[in-house]
Amino acid sequence: DGGITQSPKYLFRKEGQNVTLSCEQNLNHDAMYWYRQDPGQGLRLIYYSQIVNDFQKGDIAEGYSVSREKKESFPLTVTSAQKNPTAFYLCASRERERGGLPGELFFGEGSRLTVL
Amino acid sequence: DAKTTQPPSMDCAEGRAANLPCNHSTISGNEYVYWYRQIHSQGPQYIIHGLKNNETNEMASLIITEDRKSSTLILPHATLRDTAVYYCIARGLYGGATNKLIFGTGTLLAVQP
Repeated sequence: DGGITQSPKYLFRKEGQNVTLSCEQNLNHDAMYWYRQDPGQGLRLIYYSQIVNDFQKGDIAEGYSVSREKKESFPLTVTSAQKNPTAFYLCASRERERGGLPGELFFGEGSRLTVL
Repeated sequence: DAKTTQPPSMDCAEGRAANLPCNHSTISGNEYVYWYRQIHSQGPQYIIHGLKNNETNEMASLIITEDRKSSTLILPHATLRDTAVYYCIARGLYGGATNKLIFGTGTLLAVQP
């Protein structure tokens, strides 16, 4: 079945280590997104990509990096520069806009990162 | 994009209709209202969207007031599995380079047995 797969579901890391979260989709969607969610809060946009080999910073990009070498994949690296990396990370994708109206977002199941 | 305001939490009895309000008093004419929900520790799920007419699908109904300053998401027969955080989002056409949806804190709907 088509969908978005995030891995790992749970991840523990020591301070000062970089970690990469995987996001793969087989929906043939052009646009992909990374959000961060902290307890009791809404989703905040980290990075997004509207097409292969292109990506843009979201609202809280500092301390994160991404790549979009393939349409299906949009990995997120949480670097040691991110001061508060412990959070729930969500990847999403959607089709290109049609007639100006954005299609629905499809989300993965999320990755919970804990820094020890 | 217009800012939306939702109550932080609501309760609903199982089997009854759940009516979730959303205020978007600054919405502009070309902005749609979207609803998503997020079950605990999962990714959000699209429910429905609309512009000015009422909309219904297999999951819910969306009622938008005539002046479009507020809307209500209706789950006609709430079940325990509908317990989730519900997000109301206003999003315009041609969102520009960002092409993104902005998620607030939503409403935590607790369906009681």
